[in-house]
Amino acid sequence: EPEVTQTPSHQVTQMGQEVILRCVPISNHLYFYWYRQILGQKVEFLVSFYNNEISEKSEIFDDQFSVERPDGSNFTLKIRSTKLEDSAMYFCASRTDRWGNQPQHFGDGTRLSIL
Amino acid sequence: ILNVEQSPQSLHVQEGDSTNFTCSFPSSNFYALHWYRWETAKSPEALFVMTLNGDEKKKGQISATLNTKEGYSYLYIKGSQPEDSATYLCAFHNNAGNMLTFGGGTRLMVKP
Repeated sequence: EPEVTQTPSHQVTQMGQEVILRCVPISNHLYFYWYRQILGQKVEFLVSFYNNEISEKSEIFDDQFSVERPDGSNFTLKIRSTKLEDSAMYFCASRTDRWGNQPQHFGDGTRLSIL
Repeated sequence: ILNVEQSPQSLHVQEGDSTNFTCSFPSSNFYALHWYRWETAKSPEALFVMTLNGDEKKKGQISATLNTKEGYSYLYIKGSQPEDSATYLCAFHNNAGNMLTFGGGTRLMVKP
């Protein structure tokens, strides 16, 4: 069964550095998402992406964050000038369409640790 | 801010026990309610997407019901097995966007 893949599985970075988290969504999916879960908290929505542009974003997704689909397969989340509070598990998800009864399919996540 | 709550937070049962947990969500602007099963170090696995009031869905020994008027969904596991041990997440999809708002999850531990 096709799956969403994320790399790396764990990223350790110094505060203030930039990180790029990578995702390969399922190939025929059109909608792409990033979520995060800070330890002990709920999974939170960050951003959704369709047709090469952001379709929706949360308050968390400020100017520090950006997303890109640089080619036909990868979907990346960039965090500029990381802060300690960016430490979390980041999940990528994809879906065939916006509506309907299809689920979002999630990757295994990238654990980001900011030192 | 959308509020999605799950109870209980955690549950310990014996193998063979049946169990159920609750997800409550806003009763307005409803589009769909998603249930996921999430094992440690793996990706959340979709169980059900429920869209209609009164919906009942079943997958093996797991089933779910939906009440959109009062804003709750129940997930039932009949005859729990140790391999059912996982965190069960519900997520609310409103009709104004395509993001999911997650509950805090119910962590189920089934003892052999």
